[in-house]
Amino acid sequence: NAGVTQTPKFRVLKTGQSMTLLCAQDMNHEYMYWYRQDPGMGLRLIHYSVGEGTTAKGEVPDGYNVSRLKKQNFLLGLESAAPSQTSVYFCASFQNSPYEQYFGPGTRLTVT
Amino acid sequence: AQTVTQSQPEMSVQEAETVTLSCTYDTSENNYYLFWYKQPPSRQMILVIRQEAYKQQNATENRFSVNFQKAAKSFSLKISDSQLGDTAMYFCAFMSMSNTGKLIFGQGTTLQVKP
Repeated sequence: NAGVTQTPKFRVLKTGQSMTLLCAQDMNHEYMYWYRQDPGMGLRLIHYSVGEGTTAKGEVPDGYNVSRLKKQNFLLGLESAAPSQTSVYFCASFQNSPYEQYFGPGTRLTVT
Repeated sequence: AQTVTQSQPEMSVQEAETVTLSCTYDTSENNYYLFWYKQPPSRQMILVIRQEAYKQQNATENRFSVNFQKAAKSFSLKISDSQLGDTAMYFCAFMSMSNTGKLIFGQGTTLQVKP
């Protein structure tokens, strides 16, 4: 039982490049989330999904797209990376009994 | 919209002493959960403690306890007998029971435990 995993753990991009972050969970959770963490701002929700085939915008969705083609996977895409997207990205999944989100180890992304 | 505020960016405590981290939140809802997460240098987010708003009794997990004041919208974390391994960033977070499990985080408090 690996819980929530994220690929890759680190990445450096040049401005304008694209990439996809992969999140996988093996707990059969319906809900999944992508957050970004910036210094002094805590974690902020980018997008989330309440089930396979569904996605919704969070607090800071601009510049990102997501897909949930399979229940266990939640992909976060950056089509044209910008330096403002330099951050640490966390994926999480959720079950409502007990109420708890399970987090992946994070991905540190640097855009130069 | 809900907000979570942690007004102490940094704190320090001597090993074996007690420290309290503050958190206030704003919501118009009645049913929700509050959490404290720990983020050590490894970056992993670790759930420390959870409080259901409908429970009047304050949650306790070993050396960690909360002071939940619903009317004041305050949710502080007390760490007793502080250990060096408690050095980490601590986040307070709010989850509405009607909001698809989304978490709203405070800005975080960096806690350093000194030997």
